[in-house]
Amino acid sequence: DSGVTQTPKHLITATGQRVTLRCSPRSGDLSVYWYQQSLDQGLQFLIQYYNGEERAKGNILERFSAQQFPDLHSELNLSSLELGDSALYFCASSVSRGSVTQYFGPGTRLTVL
Amino acid sequence: GESVGLHLPTLSVQEGDNSIINCAYSNSASDYFIWYKQESGKGPQFIIDIRSNMDKRQGQRVTVLLNKTVKHLSLQIAATQPGDSAVYFCAETLNTGGFKTIFGAGTRLFVKA
Repeated sequence: DSGVTQTPKHLITATGQRVTLRCSPRSGDLSVYWYQQSLDQGLQFLIQYYNGEERAKGNILERFSAQQFPDLHSELNLSSLELGDSALYFCASSVSRGSVTQYFGPGTRLTVL
Repeated sequence: GESVGLHLPTLSVQEGDNSIINCAYSNSASDYFIWYKQESGKGPQFIIDIRSNMDKRQGQRVTVLLNKTVKHLSLQIAATQPGDSAVYFCAETLNTGGFKTIFGAGTRLFVKA
């Protein structure tokens, strides 16, 4: 158990809908990272937050947004969902904004029908 | 368990043998290189990292080699055990004020008892 929690574990929704994925980092970790894992694209970095501020951005679609709250939990919002958004979404946390060691949560499996 | 990827390169080794997993990376400016292990149904787990100014780093039963000339990274696992069966990802990180991590496609390691 990495200490990173993600909810929900599974999510099934329809195209055009909006969902929110939640992540709680390990106790004491200030950085949160979001990743998408799909069969055709592999593991893709989406975005990083450090202590409430966005620090690095990857291949995140404009339909997707994230934020980190004062209690350091983070939410990833996915809107206008398409079939191709079906994937595993992982959250990871690290102690600092530049820490190499990231601890991954168990993931949320999103299925868009 | 859940399938991480259906068309990954596969390495099959006998229990007790040494395993070598290879990876080619793309960005000469990457600061760190990392190996992750992902077991079925779980998030990636940090194994070992190496800074870009190093050639070799050893951990417990694992060694990472970095060849910057040909942009090649390898992970050696000594005395491979059935519990080592998983998908292994190499990753490179860019320090952009935050940490942007780019993952490779992954290699599935299968250990025969």
